Amino acid sequence: AQSVTQPDIHITVSEGASLELRCNYSYGATPYLFWYVQSPGQGLQLLLKYFSGDTLVQGIKGFEAEFKRSQSSFNLRKPSVHWSDAAEYFCAVGPHNQAGTALIFGKGTTLSVSS
Amino acid sequence: GAGVSQSPSNKVTEKGKDVELRCDPISGHTALYWYRQSLGQGLEFLIYFQGNSAPDKSGLPSDRFSAERTGGSVSTLTIQRTQQEDSAVYLCASNGGQGMSPLHFGNGTRLTVT
Repeated sequence: AQSVTQPDIHITVSEGASLELRCNYSYGATPYLFWYVQSPGQGLQLLLKYFSGDTLVQGIKGFEAEFKRSQSSFNLRKPSVHWSDAAEYFCAVGPHNQAGTALIFGKGTTLSVSS
Repeated sequence: GAGVSQSPSNKVTEKGKDVELRCDPISGHTALYWYRQSLGQGLEFLIYFQGNSAPDKSGLPSDRFSAERTGGSVSTLTIQRTQQEDSAVYLCASNGGQGMSPLHFGNGTRLTVT
């Protein structure tokens, strides 16, 4: 069965510290992978996506993620967290060669940033 | 407005009543999705429309839930005989219909069933 697991429900990081949010997926084919962010009171916004090629992808707001096929992971990282990064983060997986099939989302990780 | 628009933004209804939630996708987007977001449950896929094809209804939790998309644009999600467990944020998203195309989400409708 297709699934996305985000093992950490809630993470607290000090401002300026590095961040890594974990995402593991189970998918029967080569997937598309996405990270979305939902800030308080706002809609979901795409941070970055992986389709093929370089396994390290860069996104907006200084985020990056690395696709590791051997580990079925797509962890999100940021070298130095800002207070404005406090939000809920969702990892999602979609089909590689099937137009428009719905994305499968993880349950999300809530990030709190302490000063 | 260039984004996905959902209305109402908030809806409070009594148990047993029917509700309709509306979604206006981005102009030209052929694919439209409905998701439900409950506390601690992430985003649960409900239904997907792609062009003139039959919708993928595989995520609808019960036959009280239905959706239609008129003219390939606006979509309405209807919940009949609402139950308290239907309380959630209902999110609509659209894209160009290709697997690589990111979803553009609306701000959602927060449904509270009392």
